[in-house]
Amino acid sequence: GAVVSQHPSRVICKSGTSVKIECRSLDFQATTMFWYRQFPKQSLMLMATSNEGSKATYEQGVEKDKFLINHASLTLSTLTVTSAHPEDSSFYICSARTGGRAEAFFGQGTRLTVV
Amino acid sequence: QKEVEQDPGPLSVPEGAIVSLNCTYSNSAFQYFMWYRQYSRKGPELLMYTYSSGNKEDGRFTAQVDKSSKYISLFIRDSQPSDSATYLCAMSATYGQNFVFGPGTRLSVLP
Repeated sequence: GAVVSQHPSRVICKSGTSVKIECRSLDFQATTMFWYRQFPKQSLMLMATSNEGSKATYEQGVEKDKFLINHASLTLSTLTVTSAHPEDSSFYICSARTGGRAEAFFGQGTRLTVV
Repeated sequence: QKEVEQDPGPLSVPEGAIVSLNCTYSNSAFQYFMWYRQYSRKGPELLMYTYSSGNKEDGRFTAQVDKSSKYISLFIRDSQPSDSATYLCAMSATYGQNFVFGPGTRLSVLP
């Protein structure tokens, strides 16, 4: 099956610093990548969709200057949480899909804790 | 009315039971349907993918889609404690469109 690797799996950072999360498709070309946020015992909340080589499309209410998404290649997308604050603490998950396919494959998730 | 509804559970069953997980939806344009399993603090894992109506079987898992009723189901036969997880349904109208996820059903299979 298709494998998506997300790194780091867990990160703790100080308030005001920036954190970068990487999402890689290991055995397929990810033409589209999605970034989600998930609160405890809740479903996935889509933050943004990115297509390789294009600017990300953000969902309503998601600050694009705070959550910087880069999808520079067909195997790598990054999410940078800038000037993190404790309220940004959450579980962030990426997923990737290749062209012509409906199903998407998820990374392992990153638990971000801002102290 | 939410676009995709799913019984949140938790659903507890004894080991070996047949489990039925269900989602209803309101958008008749949906034609791509997926079931994901998510263990605690992990990313979702794709279990089943179905296009349009019909049944699909993979090992102990069977996915059913009834587009006329806007209803999809996932059946798990001979359930195991390792099946204890949250199950998410997801669907889209076209393969290029974002998914809409259900809220998830928490399943516990008791030994």
